[in-house]
Amino acid sequence: GQNIDQPTEMTATEGAIVQINCTYQTSGFNGLFWYQQHAGEAPTFLSYNVLDGLEEKGRFSSFLSRSKGYSYLLLKELQMKDSASYLCAVAFYGQNFVFGPGTRLSVLP
Amino acid sequence: SQTIHQWPATLVQPVGSPLSLECTVEGTSNPNLYWYRQAAGRGLQLLFYSVGIGQISSEVPQNLSASRPQDRQFILSSKKLLLSDSGFYLCAWELAGANEQFFGPGTRLTVL
Repeated sequence: GQNIDQPTEMTATEGAIVQINCTYQTSGFNGLFWYQQHAGEAPTFLSYNVLDGLEEKGRFSSFLSRSKGYSYLLLKELQMKDSASYLCAVAFYGQNFVFGPGTRLSVLP
Repeated sequence: SQTIHQWPATLVQPVGSPLSLECTVEGTSNPNLYWYRQAAGRGLQLLFYSVGIGQISSEVPQNLSASRPQDRQFILSSKKLLLSDSGFYLCAWELAGANEQFFGPGTRLTVL
């Protein structure tokens, strides 16, 4: 099967910037998604990358390098409400989404 | 606009009892539908997906089954629950070919 790797946990301070990395096997790649999931709630869509480069949406940005099988989610001006799990999900041709294990981000005051 | 519903929101069931979780989607036609399970502290595991009425594909062998009796209805069932079936069950929909999934609110199942 396809492996998606993310750090298990990260901690950052309110107002800071944090980068959450995601690596995946490149064969059959057909798009990468980032979702945010607060404890006990369903995941919500954050971003989608299918071409190389940076996609910016307010305080959140997502970067993709297809040749390296690498993406990151960048969160700026962290707020307490950003404490959540961040899920990297990859779409592969002919297969369904594969989700990474998620990165639990704790934002401290 | 499209919405997705799941019920019940929480469920506590004894080992060996049956299960039926329901998911319905509004505001779209012929969506792809998915059932995921998320065990405590773990990632999303795809259980079943469906591209149309009566068409179910299973991703992992288990004591669960799924059915799609109507275009916008997806049901997850079990005849006899196991302790290991405890988890957060998420239904998701996707426009065919769109490659973006939207999740329902989830059902938290505890098997005792």
